[in-house]
Amino acid sequence: GAVVSQHPSWVICKSGTSVKIECRSLDFQATTMFWYRQFPKQSLMLMATSNEGSKATYEQGVEKDKFLINHASLTLSTLTVTSAHPEDSSFYICSALSLSSYNEQFFGPGTRLTVL
Amino acid sequence: AQKVTQAQTEISVVEKEDVTLDCVYETRDTTYYLFWYKQPPSGELVFLIRRNSFDEQNEISGRYSWNFQKSTSSFNFTITASQVVDSAVYFCALSEADSGNTPLVFGKGTRLSVIA
Repeated sequence: GAVVSQHPSWVICKSGTSVKIECRSLDFQATTMFWYRQFPKQSLMLMATSNEGSKATYEQGVEKDKFLINHASLTLSTLTVTSAHPEDSSFYICSALSLSSYNEQFFGPGTRLTVL
Repeated sequence: AQKVTQAQTEISVVEKEDVTLDCVYETRDTTYYLFWYKQPPSGELVFLIRRNSFDEQNEISGRYSWNFQKSTSSFNFTITASQVVDSAVYFCALSEADSGNTPLVFGKGTRLSVIA
């Protein structure tokens, strides 16, 4: 149990386009999901906290108008990178908090974004 | 503020050697969780262990063992008789436990190379 999926697993896009990344909890409900970003050979940094039915909370330095987060259901959060640029190329990982498991996060497999 | 320090950026060992990965954390919370994750080249995070701040017992799981020392704020990870498949980046992480709804703060990771 406790599986989190991400789609797509990798994407290559042209500069200026928008890319949507989905994060799904497959066998549990999650009112809270987190989005992390990992640049090459660096650590994971929290970008934002996604709460079902409410606005996301962004970390300092993360542009909310550029990284749109929608948590429309208890099993799905989406991250849209709008007008992507090469500096947005990174590995994006989501995690989901299980309602039935106190403070236990389950990570998705990640999405590798390359912006040309 | 919470902080996790992994002072070893890269470690290289010969197969069958034992290796210890260091992790030192900072937090003002009395209740918190500590984690270790393995990140192979594929990028997906592999959960290894979660330990809460009230459980200072050391843990052993096969070739893996963890030493939690609250007095020194350390949570070190030892791999016994290392194997080539252990080559990966290992992250130590910390989260508050009071609200049960908090993201992980990651260390910068330690890249372990096990040479045959």
